[in-house]
Amino acid sequence: EPEVTQTPSHQVTQMGQEVILRCVPISNHLYFYWYRQILGQKVEFLVSFYNNEISEKSEIFDDQFSVERPDGSNFTLKIRSTKLEDSAMYFCASIFGRTSGANVLTFGAGSRLTVL
Amino acid sequence: GQQVMQIPQYQHVQEGEDFTTYCNSSTTLSNIQWYKQRPGGHPVFLIQLVKSGEVKKQKRLTFQFGEAKKNSSLHITATQTTDVGTYFCAGQRNQGGKLIFGQGTELSVKP
Repeated sequence: EPEVTQTPSHQVTQMGQEVILRCVPISNHLYFYWYRQILGQKVEFLVSFYNNEISEKSEIFDDQFSVERPDGSNFTLKIRSTKLEDSAMYFCASIFGRTSGANVLTFGAGSRLTVL
Repeated sequence: GQQVMQIPQYQHVQEGEDFTTYCNSSTTLSNIQWYKQRPGGHPVFLIQLVKSGEVKKQKRLTFQFGEAKKNSSLHITATQTTDVGTYFCAGQRNQGGKLIFGQGTELSVKP
């Protein structure tokens, strides 16, 4: 079964440091997403990405966040200057297309970010 | 903005009892999806409902989409310990738009 792969599984960082979370989506998928989940809370949409550009982003996704797909396989989320409240599980997800049935999210296992 | 509300937040049942979680959107949806997240795991897709009034079954799980396409429910008959986890509904306002997740219902099952 194809998988979305995320690294690292856990990252501990000091407040103010930059963090890059990496994702390898399923190879024939075209749309990519980052969601986050603060411990015990709901899954929150951050950003969607298609055709090498952001298609939609939430209010959470401010100037501290950026995404890119540098090499056609990796999809990265960068947090420029981490804050304590950025501590969360970050999930990458991808879909094949936007039609019914093709728009089902496949999530990676997540990257847990702890900001001290 | 679009909101998806889900109740209850927690449900503790005895094994063999039924369980239902309800989902309500502030806006009409093009489709609703249900995901299950085991403790420490990631959300895993269960089902997608697209049509008004649609009902789908997966073994002991029954999923319904309301006539107005604003609410949905998941019912589990005769729960088992393997049903433990958090069940999330996620709504999409238009095909291909972002999925907005409800708060989730955490189900615990006592053997």
